[in-house]
Amino acid sequence: GAVVSQHPSWVICKSGTSVKIECRSLDFQATTMFWYRQFPKQSLMLMATSNEGSKATYEQGVEKDKFLINHASLTLSTLTVTSAHPEDSSFYICSASKLGTGTDTQYFGPGTRLTVL
Amino acid sequence: GIQVEQSPPDLILQEGANSTLRCNFSDSVNNLQWFHQNPWGQLINLFYIPSGTKQNGRLSATTVATERYSLLYISSSQTTDSGVYFCAVVTSGTYKYIFGTGTRLKVLA
Repeated sequence: GAVVSQHPSWVICKSGTSVKIECRSLDFQATTMFWYRQFPKQSLMLMATSNEGSKATYEQGVEKDKFLINHASLTLSTLTVTSAHPEDSSFYICSASKLGTGTDTQYFGPGTRLTVL
Repeated sequence: GIQVEQSPPDLILQEGANSTLRCNFSDSVNNLQWFHQNPWGQLINLFYIPSGTKQNGRLSATTVATERYSLLYISSSQTTDSGVYFCAVVTSGTYKYIFGTGTRLKVLA
């Protein structure tokens, strides 16, 4: 159990367009979902935390108007990169915490590779 | 904030060799996990180990919370062990994972 999926697994887009990435918990309900960004050969950096039905909490330095997060249900969170530019090219990973088990164990999705031309 | 440093940053092994990866953290933690990131980017949970020792096949891990470090042992390494190994910690009063700097492992056949 505790499977998290992401869609798409990779996406290429033109500069100035918006891209939406979905994160789903397939076999459990998620209290909280997290979004990370990973640049090549670097570690994962937390971007934001989202709870179902409430506004996301963004980490310092992350532009909330650029990275829109919607957590519509206990199994789905979306990250929209608005007006994407080449510097937004990165590997985006989501994770989810199981409802009822606290939030200190996260289950990670397979990631989405975004390339902005 | 808490600093999480891993060593070595890069490691090349011959198949069959053993290795030890280290994770140092600068403050007390409530949770520590080791992950293997495969070449496709997927994070695979290896151990949930805020303290003590655990073993799973050829892998084992030890966390000495009072001295703020954790070790991951890989024995009889295989080419499929290649990838990046991360430790991640959660500090008291928060639920956020802080990832370490990573160790990039390459196992040669």
